[in-house]
Amino acid sequence: NAGVTQTPKFRILKIGQSMTLQCTQDMNHNYMYWYRQDPGMGLKLIYYSVGAGITDKGEVPNGYNVSRSTTEDFPLRLELAAPSQTSVYFCASRAQGAQETQYFGPGTRLLVL
Amino acid sequence: QQQVKQSPQSLIVQKGGISIINCAYENTAFDYFPWYQQFPGKGPALLIAIRPDVSEKKEGRFTISFNKSAKQFSLHIMDSQPGDSATYFCAASKGSSWGKLQFGAGTQVVVTP
Repeated sequence: NAGVTQTPKFRILKIGQSMTLQCTQDMNHNYMYWYRQDPGMGLKLIYYSVGAGITDKGEVPNGYNVSRSTTEDFPLRLELAAPSQTSVYFCASRAQGAQETQYFGPGTRLLVL
Repeated sequence: QQQVKQSPQSLIVQKGGISIINCAYENTAFDYFPWYQQFPGKGPALLIAIRPDVSEKKEGRFTISFNKSAKQFSLHIMDSQPGDSATYFCAASKGSSWGKLQFGAGTQVVVTP
């Protein structure tokens, strides 16, 4: 199993550009999450999904969108990139059930200039 | 507002010493308290987790101590090794929240040889 994979590993965007961060998991997990990590701030939840076709906002959703058309894929879309979106983005997945472990991908480092 | 407060921000410990990281929370509905370990350039990985019905959990050199009345929990790393140098995050979630984790800000641990 590859676990949770994310692409790209690193990207530089210009202000106003758009991009999609890709996330795929091969563990057949129902739950998937997108977090952003900023220095000294821990991880903040952007969006999450509890199954194909079902998504909901997390703590910091502004400027982002998601979709979940399959169990495996959970892409994160940035529209009109802003410098405040410079961060490291992590995707995670988890099996359904109480207190199951969240498995994280390797992250995507995004720089908006 | 940080729902889980973590301290210290960083610590340096000699090889063989004990590392102690503390976390405090406000929401009494939290019922799952994991600790994640993150190495540079990698995603966080679950290290150890505890539920509030126990006061301590030990796995190898890692121990969680939990104080429900004080709403605090801590991670102890015994016989710290250079390979333990990483950033550690405490987190909390409640059973009704689809596994959403509230993370602390993180503690960077450096173990000197």
